[in-house]
Amino acid sequence: EAGVAQSPRYKIIEKRQSVAFWCNPISGHATLYWYQQILGQGPKLLIQFQNNGVVDDSQLPKDRFSAERLKGVDSTLKIQPAKLEDSAVYLCASSFVTGSGNTIYFGEGSWLTVV
Amino acid sequence: DAKTTQPNSMESNEEEPVHLPCNHSTISGTDYIHWYRQLPSQGPEYVIHGLTSNVNNRMASLAIAEDRKSSTLILHRATLRDAAVYYCILRHYRTQNTGNQFYFGTGTSLTVIP
Repeated sequence: EAGVAQSPRYKIIEKRQSVAFWCNPISGHATLYWYQQILGQGPKLLIQFQNNGVVDDSQLPKDRFSAERLKGVDSTLKIQPAKLEDSAVYLCASSFVTGSGNTIYFGEGSWLTVV
Repeated sequence: DAKTTQPNSMESNEEEPVHLPCNHSTISGTDYIHWYRQLPSQGPEYVIHGLTSNVNNRMASLAIAEDRKSSTLILHRATLRDAAVYYCILRHYRTQNTGNQFYFGTGTSLTVIP
């Protein structure tokens, strides 16, 4: 079974520039998550989609971050304009909707450095 | 939101058992306890999960307190490849329309000494 795919793997941009990250979840997973992980910290949920609807975006800095999940499959996370504090790993993950065995599967992450 | 508390770091000698504790005093009755680990430069990966009873799999064992306010991940024989950050997470399921929510803490960085 193919895992969660993310791209690009690494990105370096200057502050005030924009960047976009792409995620393709595991086939059949209705729930998609974007997490931000700053060095030395645990992942922080930015946004959660259920199919193509937003379930939770309470910690998404909406003045600069946006995300969409068209057709309930792939998703894109955009940052515009970027700040130095946005330097982090952006992790995409997916899971099934229900069931006691539900686990969350992560991609390898997109590493962002803002200079 | 329910949260977890873990020690920042722990050390273990190779081939000895490791007990990684986690406190989750605000856990609700339907929250599952999950453990994930994150190797350097990789995304977190699933280790084990449980609801009330102790659980075993090929990677580890999970011991859950009777009141469910704490749990312990047990690695029976630590190897150098087990050096990672271990996260204790509560999986909260709300509805069919919202799916599962996973809340991470800061995790425990495990060092395995040869």
